[in-house]
Amino acid sequence: EVQLVESGGGLVEPGRSLRLSCTASGFTFGDYSMTWFRQAPGKDLEWVGFIRNKIAGGTIDYAASVKGRFTISRDDSKSIVYLQMNSLKIEDTAVYYCTRDRIKMDYWGPGTLVTVSS
Amino acid sequence: DIVMTQTPGSSSVTVGQPASISCRSSQGLVHSDGNTYLNWLQLRPGQPPRLLIYKISNRFSGVPDRFSGSGAGTDFTLKISRVEAEDVGVYYCMQATHFPLTFGGGTKVEIK
Repeated sequence: EVQLVESGGGLVEPGRSLRLSCTASGFTFGDYSMTWFRQAPGKDLEWVGFIRNKIAGGTIDYAASVKGRFTISRDDSKSIVYLQMNSLKIEDTAVYYCTRDRIKMDYWGPGTLVTVSS
Repeated sequence: DIVMTQTPGSSSVTVGQPASISCRSSQGLVHSDGNTYLNWLQLRPGQPPRLLIYKISNRFSGVPDRFSGSGAGTDFTLKISRVEAEDVGVYYCMQATHFPLTFGGGTKVEIK
């Protein structure tokens, strides 16, 4: 059974950093690109970025709203994809989801809440 | 960025009756590989997003056959043939053809 579980969310002050993890199981992690989305309170879903698998070059793309502040990485030996979030802003407050694949997004984790507030 | 326009914004449906959601993209969604990466997602209260339909009309594993997707070019539709109580939630179309990936504004489905 494919499972994705995000962790690392919490309350953080503006300007600080936080690292989210997404632990995968039930499939060959290294074969897939992985994508991060978020949903701010009362707002629509927003694509954050994704990382391709190594065969596809392992390259990464980001949404303009997070480029230069957020970094996506992966550890295929541990089946984990990370979202390093620096210089956090109040508007980064959201539930963050990881998903498998970058086109189909067929499986989603339950999400982890990040609250940026002073 | 590709703008995805969904209508209606909300729909109140009697159990057993059909529902239809429209999604229009500001540009065509045919990828250079010939595929059209238009997905439909369901968000039920307290749950993560769930993939219903991918590439316009392909039902994802475990999705009831009362859900169907259709369309081409810039106009797409999600239909629920007979709404059930468990279908309450918000439905989103999203395109994965062009960067950045973008979503429609969502359609809230309620039971009348």
